[in-house]
Amino acid sequence: QQPVQSPQAVILREGEDAVINCSSSKALYSVHWYRQKHGEAPVFLMILLKGGEQKGHDKISASFNEKKQQSSLYLTASQLSYSGTYFCGTGLGAGNNRKLIWGLGTSLAVNP
Amino acid sequence: DAGVIQSPRHEVTEMGQEVTLRCKPISGHDYLFWYRQTMMRGLELLIYFNNNVPIDDSGMPEDRFSAKMPNASFSTLKIQPSEPRDSAVYFCASSPVRGGLEQYFGPGTRLTVT
Repeated sequence: QQPVQSPQAVILREGEDAVINCSSSKALYSVHWYRQKHGEAPVFLMILLKGGEQKGHDKISASFNEKKQQSSLYLTASQLSYSGTYFCGTGLGAGNNRKLIWGLGTSLAVNP
Repeated sequence: DAGVIQSPRHEVTEMGQEVTLRCKPISGHDYLFWYRQTMMRGLELLIYFNNNVPIDDSGMPEDRFSAKMPNASFSTLKIQPSEPRDSAVYFCASSPVRGGLEQYFGPGTRLTVT
């Protein structure tokens, strides 16, 4: 039931791009993306809902393929501040069902 | 806003002792979540509340764990008796009813049971 994230780890040079994938075996209503820096709490990035469009914020965007139960997070022209662990949380229900099942994370390191 | 507040930030206790973790959600948020994070299992939802009422506690590992939310501004997660395998970082998060579905996490409590 836990979504599978790939790759497990990525090392980038500043300015390079990366794609992080999240796949579920269950039909999804929503996919949530968070970033967690070492020793800190997860911080919200974006949510994609079933039937919604691709979202983006600055140089980070995401897509949601409902038929394949997959979501991808795109980081373009990476910055040092992008380093951290990225988690996807999958929501199976709509409305007031707020339960999320989380992937194990993708560790991203951006070097100068 | 001060954000989600958790206490203590670090807790070291001996096996068999009772542990109480505390959380104050963001004012006006009606959803409150308790998570446990470990390297092996990742981020696990233990229980969540809506308007102080437990909605889903299927993630609570066993009867040693209990959670309460006596009012809109306070929640506790209690482990009694504690065991070494309970060592983890415990996060509390809150979410508004209206607006987005995003969850705002507190800084976490790092629990070590020896």
